[in-house]
Amino acid sequence: AQSVTQLDSHVSVSEGTPVLLRCNYSSSYSPSLFWYVQHPNKGLQLLLKYTSAATLVKGINGFEAEFKKSETSFHLTKPSAHMSDAAEYFCVVSDRNFNKFYFGSGTKLNVKP
Amino acid sequence: DAGITQSPRHKVTETGTPVTLRCHQTENHRYMYWYRQDPGHGLRLIHYSYGVKDTDKGEVSDGYSVSRSKTEDFLLTLESATSSQTSVYFCAISESTGARDEQYFGPGTRLTVT
Repeated sequence: AQSVTQLDSHVSVSEGTPVLLRCNYSSSYSPSLFWYVQHPNKGLQLLLKYTSAATLVKGINGFEAEFKKSETSFHLTKPSAHMSDAAEYFCVVSDRNFNKFYFGSGTKLNVKP
Repeated sequence: DAGITQSPRHKVTETGTPVTLRCHQTENHRYMYWYRQDPGHGLRLIHYSYGVKDTDKGEVSDGYSVSRSKTEDFLLTLESATSSQTSVYFCAISESTGARDEQYFGPGTRLTVT
């Protein structure tokens, strides 16, 4: 069965410093992987997706993620945090038949001025 | 923004009453999903649909049923609401290749069962 583990429930960074949000997945096949962001009291927005093309994926707002099959990881990074990045971030994996998605429990990012 | 609406946006109901939530899309996407969001759990799939009248269970389907009689509408019914079903419910849609494509989410419905 598929599963997604987001290793940190809360991350706090200062504005202008790098962001690292960690995600590990377990899967017996090569899944599709996604990162979504949810700002307070809002719906979810896609940041980026990996679907077996380039392993380094660039997304919106300066975010990127690298698919590492050997480590079963898909960590999200950004070189310089902005106050507007404060939100909750979800790592998502597809199932084997690409019918369903499984969400991690989320990481809340706090950005300090 | 993808054309997805949810109704109602907020609802308070009593234990034991039936509740129906509606998701409506204008994108003509094949796949539709219902999730619930609870603190510490992320989003958990309740049911999904891969076409008109074609539905399947997700990981937390007990106590919920769905129907899809038209491409654009996906209904979620709580047959007899319980306090454990107090949650925020999100509808999502995805194109023809399902989970290879990203999902687009509705604005959510906040349901409180008293």
